[in-house]
Amino acid sequence: AQSVTQLDSHVSVSEGTPVLLRCNYSSSYSPSLFWYVQHPNKGLQLLLKYTSAATLVKGINGFEAEFKKSETSFHLTKPSAHMSDAAEYFCVVRENNYGQNFVFGPGTRLSVLP
Amino acid sequence: NAGVTQTPKFQVLKTGQSMTLQCAQDMNHEYMSWYRQDPGMGLRLIHYSVGAGITDQGEVPNGYNVSRSTTEDFPLRLLSAAPSQTSVYFCASSYSSSGANTGELFFGEGSRLTVL
Repeated sequence: AQSVTQLDSHVSVSEGTPVLLRCNYSSSYSPSLFWYVQHPNKGLQLLLKYTSAATLVKGINGFEAEFKKSETSFHLTKPSAHMSDAAEYFCVVRENNYGQNFVFGPGTRLSVLP
Repeated sequence: NAGVTQTPKFQVLKTGQSMTLQCAQDMNHEYMSWYRQDPGMGLRLIHYSVGAGITDQGEVPNGYNVSRSTTEDFPLRLLSAAPSQTSVYFCASSYSSSGANTGELFFGEGSRLTVL
């Protein structure tokens, strides 16, 4: 069975500095991996996804993530944080096996300080 | 370009009342699911469906029923509401694949339920 660990429950950065949100996963099959963002009192929006193509994935709003199979990691990065990036971020894994579900990490709350 | 539509957005119930959260998608997705989101606990899967006529339980199914009579609709029923079911509920759908390159989840805007 698959599982997801998000190593930090809260990350705080200053505006203009890099963002790193960490995610590790376990999966018995070749996984698909996703990052979602949720702004306060809003739904979830897909930031980016890895589905066995290029290991470096670029998403919306300047975010990117690198799939590292040897480290079972899928960390989310952004070179320069913006105030509008303040939100909750979820790492999600889905095994590429028919009928398997999506498993969510517990989330990382990103605060951006002026 | 509706995507996933959930209704109602807000609901207040009294303990013991029943209600149905509606979910519809217009993307011809095979996979549909319901999650609840509680502070500090992320999203937890309640029930899911991989096609019309097929449903199964997720992580926290107790107190909830679902059915999937059509590809488009996946209603969630609370049989006898309890304060522990106070939560934000999300419906989500996805293209279901038996191999690689599975699609992402598309979410509705959420339904905030309060049980008094």
